[in-house]
Amino acid sequence: NAGVTQTPKFRILKIGQSMTLQCAQDMNHNYMYWYRQDPGMGLKLIYYSVGAGITDKGEVPNGYNVSRSTTEYFPLRLELAAPSQTSVYFCASSYSGLKGGNTIYFGEGSWLTVV
Amino acid sequence: GNSVTQMEGPVTLSEEAFLTINCTYTATGYPSLFWYVQYPGEGLQLLLKATKADDKGSNKGFEATYRKETTSFHLEKGSVQVSDSAVYFCALVKGGSEKLVFGKGTKLTVNP
Repeated sequence: NAGVTQTPKFRILKIGQSMTLQCAQDMNHNYMYWYRQDPGMGLKLIYYSVGAGITDKGEVPNGYNVSRSTTEYFPLRLELAAPSQTSVYFCASSYSGLKGGNTIYFGEGSWLTVV
Repeated sequence: GNSVTQMEGPVTLSEEAFLTINCTYTATGYPSLFWYVQYPGEGLQLLLKATKADDKGSNKGFEATYRKETTSFHLEKGSVQVSDSAVYFCALVKGGSEKLVFGKGTKLTVNP
Protein backbone atom coordinates (compact mmCIF):
# COMPACT_ATOMS: atom_id res chain seq x y z
CA ASN A 1 0.00 0.00 0.00
CA ALA A 2 2.24 2.82 -1.26
CA GLY A 3 -0.41 5.58 -1.35
CA VAL A 4 1.26 9.00 -1.67
CA THR A 5 5.06 8.84 -1.78
CA GLN A 6 7.30 11.87 -1.36
CA THR A 7 11.04 12.21 -1.88
CA PRO A 8 13.36 13.33 -0.45
CA LYS A 9 12.34 13.11 3.19
CA PHE A 10 15.00 15.58 4.34
CA ARG A 11 17.03 18.16 2.44
CA ILE A 12 19.24 21.12 3.25
CA LEU A 13 19.57 23.75 0.54
CA LYS A 14 21.73 26.83 0.27
CA ILE A 15 20.11 30.16 -0.54
CA GLY A 16 19.66 30.51 -4.29
CA GLN A 17 19.84 26.79 -5.06
CA SER A 18 17.07 24.98 -6.90
CA MET A 19 15.47 21.63 -6.27
CA THR A 20 12.44 19.52 -7.02
CA LEU A 21 10.31 17.74 -4.46
CA GLN A 22 8.90 14.58 -5.96
CA CYS A 23 5.41 13.24 -5.34
CA ALA A 24 3.83 10.08 -6.70
CA GLN A 25 0.51 8.39 -6.02
CA ASP A 26 -0.60 4.94 -7.08
CA MET A 27 -4.31 5.30 -6.35
CA ASN A 28 -5.29 6.69 -9.77
CA HIS A 29 -6.40 9.92 -8.11
CA ASN A 30 -7.26 12.84 -10.35
CA TYR A 31 -6.58 15.60 -7.83
CA MET A 32 -3.19 16.32 -6.30
CA TYR A 33 -2.03 19.04 -3.92
CA TRP A 34 1.06 20.56 -2.39
CA TYR A 35 0.89 22.07 1.09
CA ARG A 36 3.51 23.61 3.34
CA GLN A 37 3.47 23.52 7.12
CA ASP A 38 5.42 26.12 9.02
CA PRO A 39 6.26 25.52 12.71
CA GLY A 40 3.22 25.89 14.95
CA MET A 41 0.95 26.60 12.02
CA GLY A 42 -1.64 24.79 10.00
CA LEU A 43 -1.03 23.71 6.44
CA LYS A 44 -1.29 26.19 3.59
CA LEU A 45 -2.04 25.23 -0.02
CA ILE A 46 0.73 26.03 -2.52
CA TYR A 47 -0.60 24.54 -5.78
CA TYR A 48 -3.07 21.94 -6.82
CA SER A 49 -4.01 19.98 -9.93
CA VAL A 50 -7.35 18.57 -11.01
CA GLY A 51 -5.86 16.29 -13.65
CA ALA A 52 -2.93 15.78 -15.98
CA GLY A 53 -1.99 19.01 -17.72
CA ILE A 54 -4.03 21.23 -15.38
CA THR A 55 -2.60 23.14 -12.42
CA ASP A 56 -3.79 26.08 -10.35
CA LYS A 57 -2.42 28.34 -7.64
CA GLY A 58 -3.31 27.94 -4.02
CA GLU A 59 -2.84 30.33 -1.14
CA VAL A 60 0.98 30.68 -1.17
CA PRO A 61 2.32 29.93 -4.71
CA ASN A 62 5.13 32.51 -4.91
CA GLY A 63 8.56 30.96 -5.28
CA TYR A 64 7.26 27.62 -6.52
CA ASN A 65 6.34 25.95 -9.79
CA VAL A 66 4.53 22.72 -10.55
CA SER A 67 3.77 20.50 -13.50
CA ARG A 68 1.45 17.53 -13.99
CA SER A 69 2.33 15.59 -17.10
CA THR A 70 0.83 12.32 -15.86
CA THR A 71 -1.84 11.31 -13.37
CA GLU A 72 0.69 9.70 -11.06
CA TYR A 73 3.29 12.46 -10.57
CA PHE A 74 3.10 16.02 -9.29
CA PRO A 75 6.57 17.52 -8.68
CA LEU A 76 7.08 20.82 -6.88
CA ARG A 77 9.98 23.00 -8.06
CA LEU A 78 11.79 25.61 -5.96
CA GLU A 79 13.81 27.78 -8.35
CA LEU A 80 15.74 30.14 -6.05
CA ALA A 81 15.56 28.85 -2.51
CA ALA A 82 15.06 31.42 0.24
CA PRO A 83 15.12 30.98 4.03
CA SER A 84 11.38 31.73 4.07
CA GLN A 85 10.87 28.44 2.25
CA THR A 86 12.17 26.44 5.19
CA SER A 87 9.17 24.30 5.98
CA VAL A 88 7.67 20.83 5.87
CA TYR A 89 6.06 20.07 2.53
CA PHE A 90 3.18 17.68 2.15
CA CYS A 91 1.83 16.23 -1.05
CA ALA A 92 -1.74 14.94 -1.07
CA SER A 93 -4.19 13.36 -3.47
CA SER A 94 -7.90 12.80 -3.85
CA TYR A 95 -9.94 10.83 -6.35
CA SER A 96 -12.54 13.50 -7.07
CA GLY A 97 -11.48 16.55 -5.09
CA LEU A 98 -12.86 17.98 -1.87
CA LYS A 99 -16.49 18.36 -2.97
CA GLY A 100 -18.92 17.05 -0.42
CA GLY A 101 -16.14 16.57 2.08
CA ASN A 102 -14.30 13.88 0.14
CA THR A 103 -11.17 12.51 1.75
CA ILE A 104 -7.69 13.47 0.68
CA TYR A 105 -4.62 11.37 1.46
CA PHE A 106 -1.35 12.89 2.59
CA GLY A 107 2.21 11.78 2.07
CA GLU A 108 4.63 11.60 4.99
CA GLY A 109 6.21 14.98 4.32
CA SER A 110 9.50 16.43 3.12
CA TRP A 111 11.54 18.50 5.61
CA LEU A 112 13.34 21.31 3.78
CA THR A 113 15.83 23.69 5.39
CA VAL A 114 17.27 26.65 3.47
CA VAL A 115 20.48 28.09 4.93
CA GLY B 1 -12.27 35.12 4.35
CA ASN B 2 -12.59 31.61 5.67
CA SER B 3 -10.69 30.77 8.82
CA VAL B 4 -10.42 28.20 11.58
CA THR B 5 -9.51 28.91 15.20
CA GLN B 6 -8.66 26.11 17.55
CA MET B 7 -7.58 26.11 21.15
CA GLU B 8 -3.95 26.73 21.87
CA GLY B 9 -1.86 23.85 23.05
CA PRO B 10 -0.12 21.96 24.21
CA VAL B 11 -2.62 19.85 26.09
CA THR B 12 -1.35 17.26 28.55
CA LEU B 13 -3.69 14.64 30.00
CA SER B 14 -3.46 11.45 31.98
CA GLU B 15 -4.62 8.22 30.42
CA GLU B 16 -8.41 7.72 30.60
CA ALA B 17 -9.06 11.46 31.01
CA PHE B 18 -11.75 13.26 29.02
CA LEU B 19 -10.57 15.28 26.04
CA THR B 20 -12.05 18.38 24.47
CA ILE B 21 -10.29 20.43 21.80
CA ASN B 22 -12.27 23.49 20.79
CA CYS B 23 -12.62 24.56 17.18
CA THR B 24 -14.60 27.47 15.77
CA TYR B 25 -14.78 28.61 12.20
CA THR B 26 -15.62 31.60 10.06
CA ALA B 27 -17.07 30.93 6.64
CA THR B 28 -19.99 31.90 4.49
CA GLY B 29 -22.47 29.26 3.57
CA TYR B 30 -22.11 25.67 4.68
CA PRO B 31 -18.55 24.40 4.68
CA SER B 32 -17.56 20.80 5.30
CA LEU B 33 -15.62 20.39 8.55
CA PHE B 34 -12.80 18.00 9.38
CA TRP B 35 -10.48 16.87 12.11
CA TYR B 36 -7.09 15.61 10.97
CA VAL B 37 -4.50 13.91 13.19
CA GLN B 38 -0.73 13.98 12.72
CA TYR B 39 1.31 11.39 14.60
CA PRO B 40 5.01 12.16 15.15
CA GLY B 41 6.99 12.03 11.91
CA GLU B 42 3.95 11.24 9.77
CA GLY B 43 1.62 13.00 7.40
CA LEU B 44 -1.91 14.03 8.29
CA GLN B 45 -4.69 11.47 8.45
CA LEU B 46 -8.39 12.16 8.36
CA LEU B 47 -9.87 11.46 11.78
CA LEU B 48 -13.49 12.43 11.19
CA LYS B 49 -15.66 14.79 9.21
CA ALA B 50 -19.12 16.34 8.98
CA THR B 51 -20.63 17.87 5.88
CA LYS B 52 -23.79 19.57 7.13
CA ALA B 53 -25.23 21.19 10.22
CA ASP B 54 -26.00 18.86 13.17
CA ASP B 55 -24.01 16.02 11.61
CA LYS B 56 -21.82 14.11 14.06
CA GLY B 57 -18.54 12.70 12.84
CA SER B 58 -17.01 9.85 14.82
CA ASN B 59 -14.02 7.54 14.60
CA LYS B 60 -11.79 5.65 17.04
CA GLY B 61 -13.79 6.95 20.02
CA PHE B 62 -13.49 10.58 18.91
CA GLU B 63 -16.58 12.63 18.14
CA ALA B 64 -17.38 16.12 16.85
CA THR B 65 -20.72 17.73 16.05
CA TYR B 66 -21.21 20.40 13.37
CA ARG B 67 -22.89 23.29 15.19
CA LYS B 68 -24.03 25.94 12.75
CA GLU B 69 -25.50 28.20 15.45
CA THR B 70 -22.18 28.47 17.30
CA THR B 71 -19.94 27.89 14.22
CA SER B 72 -18.13 25.20 16.14
CA PHE B 73 -16.81 21.67 15.64
CA HIS B 74 -15.29 20.68 18.99
CA LEU B 75 -13.40 17.38 19.21
CA GLU B 76 -14.15 15.10 22.17
CA LYS B 77 -13.08 11.72 23.45
CA GLY B 78 -14.32 10.15 26.64
CA SER B 79 -11.16 8.28 27.62
CA VAL B 80 -7.83 9.06 25.96
CA GLN B 81 -4.97 6.62 25.55
CA VAL B 82 -1.22 7.13 25.30
CA SER B 83 -1.51 6.22 21.62
CA ASP B 84 -3.71 9.30 21.06
CA SER B 85 -0.68 11.56 21.58
CA ALA B 86 -0.46 13.58 18.37
CA VAL B 87 -1.21 16.97 16.84
CA TYR B 88 -4.86 17.55 15.96
CA PHE B 89 -5.94 19.94 13.21
CA CYS B 90 -9.40 21.32 12.61
CA ALA B 91 -10.08 22.25 8.98
CA LEU B 92 -12.83 23.36 6.64
CA VAL B 93 -13.50 23.45 2.94
CA LYS B 94 -16.09 25.57 1.19
CA GLY B 95 -18.33 24.00 -1.41
CA GLY B 96 -16.73 24.13 -4.85
CA SER B 97 -13.29 24.94 -3.47
CA GLU B 98 -10.21 22.73 -3.49
CA LYS B 99 -8.61 24.64 -0.64
CA LEU B 100 -8.61 23.11 2.83
CA VAL B 101 -8.27 25.82 5.47
CA PHE B 102 -6.50 24.58 8.58
CA GLY B 103 -6.29 25.74 12.15
CA LYS B 104 -2.86 25.97 13.77
CA GLY B 105 -3.08 22.58 15.40
CA THR B 106 -3.25 21.42 19.01
CA LYS B 107 -0.60 19.11 20.39
CA LEU B 108 -1.93 16.47 22.74
CA THR B 109 0.28 14.45 25.05
CA VAL B 110 -1.25 11.62 27.05
CA ASN B 111 0.78 10.29 29.97
CA PRO B 112 0.40 6.77 31.38
